[in-house]
Amino acid sequence: AQSVSQHNHHVILSEAASLELGCNYSYGGTVNLFWYVQYPGQHLQLLLKYFSGDPLVKGIKGFEAEFIKSKFSFNLRKPSVQWSDTAEYFCAVNPSGGSYIPTFGRGTSLIVHP
Amino acid sequence: GAGVSQSPSNKVTEKGKDVELRCDPISGHTALYWYRQSLGQGLEFLIYFQGNSAPDKSGLPSDRFSAERTGGSVSTLTIQRTQQEDSAVYLCASSLAGTTNEKLFFGSGTQLSVL
Repeated sequence: AQSVSQHNHHVILSEAASLELGCNYSYGGTVNLFWYVQYPGQHLQLLLKYFSGDPLVKGIKGFEAEFIKSKFSFNLRKPSVQWSDTAEYFCAVNPSGGSYIPTFGRGTSLIVHP
Repeated sequence: GAGVSQSPSNKVTEKGKDVELRCDPISGHTALYWYRQSLGQGLEFLIYFQGNSAPDKSGLPSDRFSAERTGGSVSTLTIQRTQQEDSAVYLCASSLAGTTNEKLFFGSGTQLSVL
């Protein structure tokens, strides 16, 4: 069965700092990868996803993620964070041809100070 | 409605009581998922429904947990004889066809507190 590791559980940044959140997965085959975000008081929503093609994917609000197959990684980046980026971020993997059930990481809590 | 609807939003119950949590997915979505979110534990898969197929119950933590989906739409998650360790946010999500590259649409969850 697949698994997802998010190494940073809590991240605190000042506005305008750069962000990189790590995500590694364990699965040997073809995968679909997702980042979801949960803003305070809101439901989980998709930030971006990768399923084929260009390994550098861009999402909403200036976020991007790079799929590096050799490292089994799908790290999330943003060059300059804003206070409004304060949220919980979840990485998820759903193997192609698998059980159709996405597996989520533990999440990373990001706090951005103004 | 336009999104996934869950009710109640909060439920406080006493240990040993049964609870029912409801999920109303987006109209036309054939796939429905239940997850549990405990503090610092991420999202734990519970059960998955796809169309008229038998549900995947592989994530249910014990036989006290059960779920059904009536008419391919509304789903109810039932927890019998609740325990304090059942306290968590129970999330429901749906997707159009349940394919592996689709995004999930989540509800706002039910916060369950077992006293």
